[in-house]
Amino acid sequence: AQSVTQLDSQVPVFEEAPVELRCNYSSSVSVYLFWYVQYPNQGLQLLLKYLSGSTLVKGINGFEAEFNKSQTSFHLRKPSVHISDTAEYFCAVSLTGGGNKLTFGTGTQLKVEL
Amino acid sequence: DAMVIQNPRYQVTQFGKPVTLSCSQTLNHNVMYWYQQKSSQAPKLLFHYYDKDFNNEADTPDNFQSRRPNTSFCFLDIRSPGLGDAAMYLCATSRDYRDEQYFGPGTRLTVT
Repeated sequence: AQSVTQLDSQVPVFEEAPVELRCNYSSSVSVYLFWYVQYPNQGLQLLLKYLSGSTLVKGINGFEAEFNKSQTSFHLRKPSVHISDTAEYFCAVSLTGGGNKLTFGTGTQLKVEL
Repeated sequence: DAMVIQNPRYQVTQFGKPVTLSCSQTLNHNVMYWYQQKSSQAPKLLFHYYDKDFNNEADTPDNFQSRRPNTSFCFLDIRSPGLGDAAMYLCATSRDYRDEQYFGPGTRLTVT
């Protein structure tokens, strides 16, 4: 079975500073990788996804992530954060071989401060 | 513009009193999912429908049931809610299994 680890439960950062949210996964088979953002009392919004091809994936709101197969990581980065980026971020995986069950990490709360 | 709609956004029910949560979609997607997200935890898949085919997760309690009367609507029924069932319930849809899942805003369930 696959699993996702987000080591940082909270990440405080000042506005306009860069940020990296870490995600590591475990799976014996190939996976698709996703980052979702959740604002308070709202559903999940897809930021970006890796299915195949280029390991550097660009998403919405200036976020990007890099798939590293050897390190089984899919870290999320943004070069300059804004107050409006304050939210919960979830990394998720699904198996490539049929089915679409998303397995989520426990989330990272990004808090952007002035 | 709303694509996945969940009603109500907030639901309060009493311990043991059946409750139904509603999800509708305007995307004409084949797959509809229900997730449970407890406070400060990751969303957890309860079950999903591919068209009319129901797929239950192995660890979903029997207390949770679902109905999909047509392509657009899917319901989550909790037969006898316990205090531990208080959570945000998220509905999602995807065109097919290999496609992106679109999430609704969720229904926050409180059990008193």
